[in-house]
Amino acid sequence: AQKITQTQPGMFVQEKEAVTLDCTYDTSDPSYGLFWYKQPSSGEMIFLIYQGSYDQQNATEGRYSLNFQKARKSANLVISASQLGDSAMYFCAMRERGSGGYNKLIFGAGTRLAVHP
Amino acid sequence: DTAVSQTPKYLVTQMGNDKSIKCEQNLGHDTMYWYKQDSKKFLKIMFSYNNKELIINETVPNRFSPKSPDKAHLNLHINSLELGDSAVYFCASGHTDTQYFGPGTRLTVL
Repeated sequence: AQKITQTQPGMFVQEKEAVTLDCTYDTSDPSYGLFWYKQPSSGEMIFLIYQGSYDQQNATEGRYSLNFQKARKSANLVISASQLGDSAMYFCAMRERGSGGYNKLIFGAGTRLAVHP
Repeated sequence: DTAVSQTPKYLVTQMGNDKSIKCEQNLGHDTMYWYKQDSKKFLKIMFSYNNKELIINETVPNRFSPKSPDKAHLNLHINSLELGDSAVYFCASGHTDTQYFGPGTRLTVL
């Protein structure tokens, strides 16, 4: 079964508008973390934001915020005031405890965001 | 002052060859990782090392052998390369609440 689901293979948004990228997850571990990464066409993986499962408040980093709804097991990324440079692939990932008790990241399939002028 | 660096950035080689990818981090993290991103952009963990000790091995063929000479370095050696090994390989390092990735190595096996 998929542990991280990103249901939107592609999204587009008008420049300066806000956009929400969806992510749902599945875990029985009470302690976990959720990450979002951006991968532009140049290929590097850029860390955007992190939310811990025990964090009471939604994480924010500049124009990025994570809408964490624990009961619904969702961790959507909200990008406010989109810019042309936001066009990229976006990956949601969950920190999961692997065998031996060590952490690893499980990634979703990604959402390709296109920002139109 | 690059945080996680990998060399080479591109690697083109023939089937059957052996190749290595090097990774270094200057973030002081104890844990380093190798991930593989396939042609459909799907990212999957391959290995993880904590303080030079292998802690995660995700059923990767034993043609792949990671080596960590110290906690700032994690290299990946691949023997007898196959067409299916073509992918982008990312090194990463991190703590519980963050993982920083290197720029990736695009491996093409002809």
